[in-house]
Amino acid sequence: DIVMTQSPDSLAVSLGERATINCRSSPSILYSSNFKSYLAWYQQKPGQPPKLLIYWASTRESGVPDRFSGSGSGTDFTLTISSLQAEDVAVYYCQQYYSTPYTFGQGTKLEIQ
Amino acid sequence: QVQLQESGPGLVKPSETLSLTCTVSGGSISSYYWSWIRQPPGKGLEWIGFIYYSGSTDYNPSLKSRVTMSVDTSKNQFSLKLSSATAADTAIYYCARSGRDGYDPSDYWGQGTLVTVSS
Repeated sequence: DIVMTQSPDSLAVSLGERATINCRSSPSILYSSNFKSYLAWYQQKPGQPPKLLIYWASTRESGVPDRFSGSGSGTDFTLTISSLQAEDVAVYYCQQYYSTPYTFGQGTKLEIQ
Repeated sequence: QVQLQESGPGLVKPSETLSLTCTVSGGSISSYYWSWIRQPPGKGLEWIGFIYYSGSTDYNPSLKSRVTMSVDTSKNQFSLKLSSATAADTAIYYCARSGRDGYDPSDYWGQGTLVTVSS
């Protein structure tokens, strides 16, 4: 199975500041024939299902605010929230869909400082 | 707008079979892969497997011996059965849509249903 490891496990950021969450895959989830990394980011608020934010590592899902961005390729990925809003408090998960079984990172809990 | 709704017993006895159904509305079940994902209370997400509308399946090897998925296109539903349930299977179970070619993230999710395995 592909192992997904997120860092940090938790993060506290002030309102309006930048939040950065990292995700590493082992092995690579870059498909050489199309140069796409099969990496998604989800946001999960308490009592709600996960919500897809980013796919192909950097493509924002329709309706997702542009303060959310994804970057990276191969094995190392980053989710950045450029200016943290109160409604962004949640747990964030990365997921690889390169090969089954699809696997998730352990989650990063984002709070307001 | 595609919507998914899980249904089934919220309490299952140990050693019995956990059975859930996901009803899709606002869109056709055809031409898509449909996943089951679970989340133990307070913990992370685990992909259980998916089923294509045609009936082909792919299960997580960690659960493969106990999992059966099926689809009923006439009812726009797909189902999960997990046999020989134990307390470790206590979780919120989500159904989700997972794209057209089996290599996509899950873009639509049900609200989830908590299944507790206990006598």
